[in-house]
Amino acid sequence: QVHLQESGPGLVKPSETLSLTCAVSGYSISNGFFWGWIRQPPGEGLQWIGSIYHSGSAYYNPSLQSRVAMSIDTSRNHFSLTLTSVTAADTAIYYCARADVGSGSYHFDSWGPGTVVAVSS
Amino acid sequence: VVLTQSPGTLSLSPGEGATLSCGASQSISSHYLNWYQQKPGQAPRLLIYAASRRATGIPARFSGSGSGTDFALTISRLEPEDFAVYYCQHYDYSSTWTFGQGTKVEVK
Repeated sequence: QVHLQESGPGLVKPSETLSLTCAVSGYSISNGFFWGWIRQPPGEGLQWIGSIYHSGSAYYNPSLQSRVAMSIDTSRNHFSLTLTSVTAADTAIYYCARADVGSGSYHFDSWGPGTVVAVSS
Repeated sequence: VVLTQSPGTLSLSPGEGATLSCGASQSISSHYLNWYQQKPGQAPRLLIYAASRRATGIPARFSGSGSGTDFALTISRLEPEDFAVYYCQHYDYSSTWTFGQGTKVEVK
């Protein structure tokens, strides 16, 4: 059974860069699937940030595209998110998740527990 | 594609049925329409994929339907553990994912 775990600093200063990593266990990310990041501001709904394929091809939410980058490290079986020039609006719970390609519906079938990131000086 | 969920909040009693709607701003393939449940303090959980297929371990009281621009999640009889927030989600051919704003099902 696949297990995902987010990690990273819980507090980031405004204008700085947010960096998070998602460690995957129970499945080799080099075997396929899309791997994604989704966030949830306090009291709000879910916002897709971006997804990266096992080959390294990445796709981003157009509203965040200028500030987002994702990478994948198959040797360490993890993938990462960087978000530059953060503001208070980037305060959220950040989830990593796996998107099922095989079924063809690209649903997120496994999620990490989430990590809280606050942007504050 | 913009997904609009209605109602924003549904107030019901255990044992009642619930129907949650998800409207798409343009016609979409039902194959790419999925539903999630989120309880407070937890990550979302996949309920329904490809509009009508229950995910592994999801009880039969949950069902999905729809096509084109109108989709629905139906809970036949609400159990206490079903009171939560529900999100629809769409995958687009341009490799982008979109979530609806959510429907909260609360105890009346």
